[in-house]
Amino acid sequence: SQQGEEDPQALSIQEGENATMNCSYKTSINNLQWYRQNSGRGLVHLILIRSNEREKHSGRLRVTLDTSKKSSSLLITASRAADTASYFCATDTYNTDKLIFGTGTRLQVFP
Amino acid sequence: KAGVTQTPRYLIKTRGQQVTLSCSPISGHRSVSWYQQTPGQGLQFLFEYFSETQRNKGNFPGRFSGRQFSNSRSEMNVSTLELGDSALYLCASSLESAGRDGYTFGSGTRLTVV
Repeated sequence: SQQGEEDPQALSIQEGENATMNCSYKTSINNLQWYRQNSGRGLVHLILIRSNEREKHSGRLRVTLDTSKKSSSLLITASRAADTASYFCATDTYNTDKLIFGTGTRLQVFP
Repeated sequence: KAGVTQTPRYLIKTRGQQVTLSCSPISGHRSVSWYQQTPGQGLQFLFEYFSETQRNKGNFPGRFSGRQFSNSRSEMNVSTLELGDSALYLCASSLESAGRDGYTFGSGTRLTVV
């Protein structure tokens, strides 16, 4: 079964708006990572947040992590049409020794 | 620096055949992992190789196998192909095992079984 579940499954917004995606997971983690995938291509690593961190920024991206709720959110500010892609969270857990990907959120940004 | 290279990009095979996919990781990366991506199952972990040793294996039948060479290049093989093996196969490399420092993915091999 999936470790991470993203919410929403799909999101449509206008350029300039902010996009927020959420990830919930089941077991304790070492770190949580976010990836982007353009249609039919490989995934691109966006950001990594460790279990002892609560927030991290990278350009227009902001990631938060709440280990008590076993959840993370990815915020993309001032979105652009080029941000249109699927976004996945991936968790590195203490007992699986592998990176497990969630189900993904499909983001569509309209010009 | 060069990224992760997967060959071929597209492949069409017939049921019962076998296939070999290739992955060249980023120079210096010793960990190579393989994932299968399908619309129904999402990204499923196949296996990880680190310094030529299989460190971990996902829940796939024995028809799926792999190996890693001394130069860290990796191959995966699927024998006796089934229609359900149609998928995007992704290879990812990292410095640390299990992608703990973040994976760099290749563009994938799109396998279609007819």
